[in-house]
Parts: sequence; C-alpha cells; structure tokens
Amino acid sequence: QVQLQESGPGLVKPSQTLSLTCTVSGGSISSGGYYWSWIRQHPGKGLEWIGYIYYSGSTYYNPSLKSRVTISVDTSKNQFSLKLSSVTAADTAVYYCARNSYASPFDYWGQGTLVTVSS
Amino acid sequence: QSVLTQPPSVSGAPGQRVTISCTGSSSNIGAGYDVHWYQQLPGTAPKLLIYGNSNRPSGVPDRFSGSKSGTSASLAITGLQAEDEADYYCQSYDSSLSGDAVFGGGTQLTVL
Repeated sequence: QVQLQESGPGLVKPSQTLSLTCTVSGGSISSGGYYWSWIRQHPGKGLEWIGYIYYSGSTYYNPSLKSRVTISVDTSKNQFSLKLSSVTAADTAVYYCARNSYASPFDYWGQGTLVTVSS
Repeated sequence: QSVLTQPPSVSGAPGQRVTISCTGSSSNIGAGYDVHWYQQLPGTAPKLLIYGNSNRPSGVPDRFSGSKSGTSASLAITGLQAEDEADYYCQSYDSSLSGDAVFGGGTQLTVL
C-alpha cells in the first residue's frame, strides 16, 4: 500500500519561499510509470493542481504558477519536493502530495499540510 | 474560475438519488480524456471515488456510478445516506494546457 506524507513549515512569511517535502513509502519513485504531484486547496475552496514530476526529473507545472514553482525529486530518499517562491497570503492553503500516471486519476494522496503565509 | 464546471451544491433526502454534473470542453473531456471523481469528507484528503469515467475502486459502494458523454460527465449517487454528505470533485486533463490536470470547482452534497 503506497503512502505519502507531507512535511514542512506550517508558517511562511510573505515574500519568502514555501518549501515542502513528500515522503513516499510502500513503493519506489524510481520504479517509473507514475507522476508525483502537488495539489493545493485554499481554505473553503476547490482543488488546484500545482504540478508534477516524473522520476527522471521531467516536470510539468500549472501555467498560472509556473514562474514561481519548482518541483524536484530525490530518488535516493524516495521523496519529492515543492518550492513556491515569493509567497503572499493568497498562497495560504492545504498542500497535498499525490500520485498519478499519464492521463489517469490521483490514486494516492497524502493527508495534506496547512501552510499559512503571514508575518 | 475552474476549467471544469460543477454545480456549487446539491441536496437530497436519505434514500433518494442525486446527480452531480461536470461540464468541460473540446480540449478536455471532449478531447477524450477520462473523467475521475473524488469524495472529500470534512477535514480529510480527497479520496478517489470513480476513475475512468465509470469505474469504482475496490471498496466504493455500487451506489456510486459515473458516466461521460461528449464534453460532460455525471456522478450519480443512489440510496443517499447521511455519510455521503461531503464535497465531490471531478477531474480530467486538458490538451490546451500541455496535458495538465484540471479539476472542477467542487459540489457540496447535503443530505437533508
């Protein structure tokens, strides 16, 4: 059973960089066949796909966030990470990591982590 | 503004049938991409409910069913139960966005 767990600071100051890590257990990122994604949910709002990474390092980002987002992978630790730069209060959200494959559903999700942007 | 359009809310009495629509366009649902549905209970992560338009993962009751036609899809819930009260999201992919994942805005289901 694949499990994903987000970790990182719950509070980030405006203009700084939000950094989160997702640790995958029960399956290997480097085995291929899957994309590893970040999705966020603003308080009381819907889901917004941020981007995903393949084990090879290929990345795909939401055009609306592309200029501020970097997703990377560390196959040796079975982790992938999100960096979102120049954050504002509008980036306050619950951030989820999830797994999907090409044109397929997000079948495994982390529990989510709330990140608040505030001074 | 979500790429896929869902009604903000639906409601029904216990035992009744409700449907939730998901409307897209020729670059996503109409382009042949499958539609997937998620159920999100309060304070929890979304859970895959329907995949590939009409398939249920193991453990999902057959009260939940999905369909797709043209540029739209629907989720139907029969025999409504109190535990079905949740937010429901449709999801697909969009060829105009380099195959990026897109979600509906979500529908809040209230069991009266």
